[in-house]
Amino acid sequence: DSGVTQTPKHLITATGQRVTLRCSPRSGDLSVYWYQQSLDQGLQFLIQYYNGEERAKGNILERFSAQQFPDLHSELNLSSLELGDSALYFCASSVEGLVDTQYFGPGTRLTVL
Amino acid sequence: GDSVTQMEGPVTLSEEAFLTINCTYTATGYPSLFWYVQYPGEGLQLLLKATKADDKGSNKGFEATYRKETTSFHLEKGSVQVSDSAVYFCALSRQGAQKLVFGQGTRLTINP
Repeated sequence: DSGVTQTPKHLITATGQRVTLRCSPRSGDLSVYWYQQSLDQGLQFLIQYYNGEERAKGNILERFSAQQFPDLHSELNLSSLELGDSALYFCASSVEGLVDTQYFGPGTRLTVL
Repeated sequence: GDSVTQMEGPVTLSEEAFLTINCTYTATGYPSLFWYVQYPGEGLQLLLKATKADDKGSNKGFEATYRKETTSFHLEKGSVQVSDSAVYFCALSRQGAQKLVFGQGTRLTINP
């Protein structure tokens, strides 16, 4: 158990819908990272927050957004969902944004029908 | 841009066989290199890392050496076990960057 929690574990929805994925970092970790793992794109970095502020952006679509709240949990919002958004979404956390000490959550599997 | 290339999977071996999973990278400067492991139904776990040339990372019998001259970070284990069955990801992080760049992953299956 990495100490990073993600909810829900599974999510099934339809095209055009909007969903919110939630991540709680390990106690004491200020930084949260979101990654998408899909069959065709592999594992890709989406976005990073550090203590409530956006720190780095990767291959995140404009239909996706994220935020980190004062209690340090983070939410990833995916809207106007397409079939191709079906993937495993991982959250990771680290102390002070040190990328080489990232701990990954178990992931949320999103299926868009 | 930065990229990581791993050997194509899946890889199937018998217990106690020698394992090598190849990984090469493209990056400017001197990235840190990592191997992550993903067991079925779980998130990624850091297996080992190396932060400078000629460093050897090791953990749980696995090891990998940072070779700058060949831009490689091959994962090896002398005698694999059934419990090593998982997907293995090679990754890099450039100094000052806040993200990991992953290879495509290699699925390893160990048969008893």
